[in-house]
Amino acid sequence: QKEVEQDPGPLSVPEGAIVSLNCTYSNSAFQYFMWYRQYSRKGPELLMYTYSSGNKEDGRFTAQVDKSSKYISLFIRDSQPSDSATYLCAMKDKSGGSNYKLTFGKGTLLTVNP
Amino acid sequence: EAGVAQSPRYKIIEKRQSVAFWCNPISGHATLYWYQQILGQGPKLLIQFQNNGVVDDSQLPKDRFSAERLKGVDSTLKIQPAKLEDSAVYLCASSLGLSPSVLTFGAGSRLTVL
Repeated sequence: QKEVEQDPGPLSVPEGAIVSLNCTYSNSAFQYFMWYRQYSRKGPELLMYTYSSGNKEDGRFTAQVDKSSKYISLFIRDSQPSDSATYLCAMKDKSGGSNYKLTFGKGTLLTVNP
Repeated sequence: EAGVAQSPRYKIIEKRQSVAFWCNPISGHATLYWYQQILGQGPKLLIQFQNNGVVDDSQLPKDRFSAERLKGVDSTLKIQPAKLEDSAVYLCASSLGLSPSVLTFGAGSRLTVL
């Protein structure tokens, strides 16, 4: 079983739809959870960063963490064509000393159609 | 603030040839990372530097990959000899401290091995 599982999609939705992206994980040591957005031929950029279980909202984006179920989600409200990208979940644990290791999911390719 | 610079953006080589990628992180960022992103996969950490010292190189195939960050600023990743399975995007990222709370990625160097 991989440490982080993410449905690769692709996911295609109409403009204005609510999008739900999900990841599950098996490593209980993961403490911090992130969502990165990666446009084609670009590097990933940090979208959301959460620590505790619960919801964190930033504009049209909501990150949800359920540590008991080892499940995280990213919701996008009122999706726009500019949201078309690959969304990567990422998690970190303490790999040793004060060093944190980041583990990524495979990414979900999202297309928002105008 | 200037971003993470990487070069070359694209490189095509024959198997068994060598290749080198260069990265200049954000000014003042002590930690530098090299990630490998194979098509359809999430980024995988190859090596992490703190200033000019190696923090984690556990997933670096040391028989063919090498990396250095001699003066604690820019870094070079080398592959020699290249294999077909090395075809990937090589992403450089940097962060202020050891914990990758906010990783800033470069656009990546896309390698095709024929």
